Amino acid sequence: EDKVVQSPLSLVVHEGDTVTLNCSYEVTNFRSLLWYKQEKKAPTFLFMLTSSGIEKKSGRLSSILDKKELFSILNITATQTGDSAIYLCAMETSGSRLTFGEGTQLTVNP
Amino acid sequence: GAGVSQSPSNKVTEKGKDVELRCDPISGHTALYWYRQSLGQGLEFLIYFQGNSAPDKSGLPSDRFSAERTGGSVSTLTIQRTQQEDSAVYLCASSLRSSGFLSGANVLTFGAGSRLTVL
Repeated sequence: EDKVVQSPLSLVVHEGDTVTLNCSYEVTNFRSLLWYKQEKKAPTFLFMLTSSGIEKKSGRLSSILDKKELFSILNITATQTGDSAIYLCAMETSGSRLTFGEGTQLTVNP
Repeated sequence: GAGVSQSPSNKVTEKGKDVELRCDPISGHTALYWYRQSLGQGLEFLIYFQGNSAPDKSGLPSDRFSAERTGGSVSTLTIQRTQQEDSAVYLCASSLRSSGFLSGANVLTFGAGSRLTVL
């Protein structure tokens, strides 16, 4: 059965800190890995990763995939209170569904 | 429409009643998904539509749950004889994904969800 495990499940930091969120997976037919941010309701798309070792970057957020060790990390530098959210990692496998991890609840305090 | 619309945004019902949740995907998106998110949990896959057909309904938790999609657009998720454990946020998402294998990319756009509370 396809499985996505995120860690930590929850994290509390101060503004300005750098955080690293982890996502490991076990899948039979990997296609892509996606990161989403969920603030109040609808998850919003952050990154899609398909190739190992190529960093995707958007402002203070970046992500990289390691297909040999089966994990991805999401980095957020110089965190702000607006970064407080649940960060979801999802795996696209054959069959078209996305399998999600439990998410990491990030709280950034002023 | 511009985004994925879901209704109602909030629904409170009594145990044993039936409920219908509606999803209006982004115009032109052929793929439509239903997920469920319980408090403090990740997203649990329920069902996937490609056009009007559902090639993967393996996530529906029991035969009280059903979904349909008409005209390749609007979808309705129906829960019969609701139970307290059905309380959750039901999220709908759509994507441009067409049938057949596409390398990588299945970026889903989510609606704001329907929060269901069963008393």
